[in-house]
Amino acid sequence: SQKIEQNSEALNIQEGKTATLTCNYTNYSPAYLQWYRQDPGRGPVFLLLIRENEKEKRKERLKVTFDTTLKQSLFHITASQPADSATYLCALGRALGRLYFGRGTQLTVWP
Amino acid sequence: GAVVSQHPSRVICKSGTSVKIECRSLDFQATTMFWYRQFPKQSLMLMATSNEGSKATYEQGVEKDKFLINHASLTLSTLTVTSAHPEDSSFYICSARGGLAGENTGELFFGEGSRLTVL
Repeated sequence: SQKIEQNSEALNIQEGKTATLTCNYTNYSPAYLQWYRQDPGRGPVFLLLIRENEKEKRKERLKVTFDTTLKQSLFHITASQPADSATYLCALGRALGRLYFGRGTQLTVWP
Repeated sequence: GAVVSQHPSRVICKSGTSVKIECRSLDFQATTMFWYRQFPKQSLMLMATSNEGSKATYEQGVEKDKFLINHASLTLSTLTVTSAHPEDSSFYICSARGGLAGENTGELFFGEGSRLTVL
């Protein structure tokens, strides 16, 4: 079965710095990889999707990379703000298939 | 973006009773809906996949008779936890894939979740 590891349960950084979260997977190559944000007691909110044939995707202060050789995705938040504090989930899927989620990394950005 | 509404957001019930949770897609037709449960500090675990007009597909280890799923229309799916017990207490989240965005990208639109507490 698919195994997804997000590098750490918690990450604490200072405001203005770049937060980098890691997602590693095993067993098969997904067609795409997604990142979601989840706030306490809420449902996840979609942030970015990157396909297997894409190396990098950007959206405002967010950047995602996808290395299918390493079986790894990196998720970057530049110029981080306290409002970015949340749990970030990576999810893998095949075309029109169900998603496998990692356990998430809880990011705290302190002033 | 697309909106998925989930109701109720919180429910407390006595052991042995049944609880129904509704999931609605408000501005798009959801051909496929997914039900997840999530324990504190854990990943979302897929329980079942429901397609409009057909029976739900349950993940291994999920009791179909205990977690009844009905996807009677393109905008509504329901999860009924039958004869609930304290170990069923969890955060249940539905998601939908449908419309142009979802079908093409695989993006899921999530509801706000329902916190079930069984006493």
